[in-house]
Amino acid sequence: EAGVTQSPTHLIKTRGQQATLRCSPISGHTSVYWYQQALGLGLQFLLWYDEGEERNRGNFPPRFSGRQFPNYSSELNVNALELEDSALYLCASSVYTEAFFGQGTRLTVV
Amino acid sequence: QKEVEQDPGPLSVPEGAIVSLNCTYSNSAFQYFMWYRQYSRKGPELLMYTYSSGNKEDGRFTAQVDKSSKYISLFIRDSQPSDSATYLCAMTRTGTASKLTFGTGTRLQVTL
Repeated sequence: EAGVTQSPTHLIKTRGQQATLRCSPISGHTSVYWYQQALGLGLQFLLWYDEGEERNRGNFPPRFSGRQFPNYSSELNVNALELEDSALYLCASSVYTEAFFGQGTRLTVV
Repeated sequence: QKEVEQDPGPLSVPEGAIVSLNCTYSNSAFQYFMWYRQYSRKGPELLMYTYSSGNKEDGRFTAQVDKSSKYISLFIRDSQPSDSATYLCAMTRTGTASKLTFGTGTRLQVTL
């Protein structure tokens, strides 16, 4: 069974640009979570999507947004990129409490 | 004060040793507890999942939860070099994975 897949693996953007990150959950999982893992800060919860709706968001500015498609895949958009947005962005999918993570997209803002 | 505290390490042990990794937390509402293993430049991999207090064993891994002390532990028996990774504890108060709260991770190095 395929796990959570994320694309691209690496992304380099310049300050002020927009970044789009993609995630495909495990088949049968309807919930998708986005987390940011910045160096030294641990995993910070960004967004939760379930059945196409945004259910919860973490303490991040509105320029972090996303959506979930009818096939439960998800997209994370980061507008007006700042240098401190450089991090590993992880997507997870779950049924109930057990969350399974993808390999992440490493975003570098220069 | 962070909701979940975890010693960042690094923790270095010889091969074959018993490893003890720990997290403390402040929110008594947490009921579901998880341990993840994360290799360098990879996503976290779910190792153990427990509900409420008690012990759970899976092969060389044992997870313990003491809700009265707000303390959770992961024990690794007969540690191997392949266990070298960062171990993250995570917890949530609900029956879904919504808004997991993670520790910052403990880096473990198992030496030959």
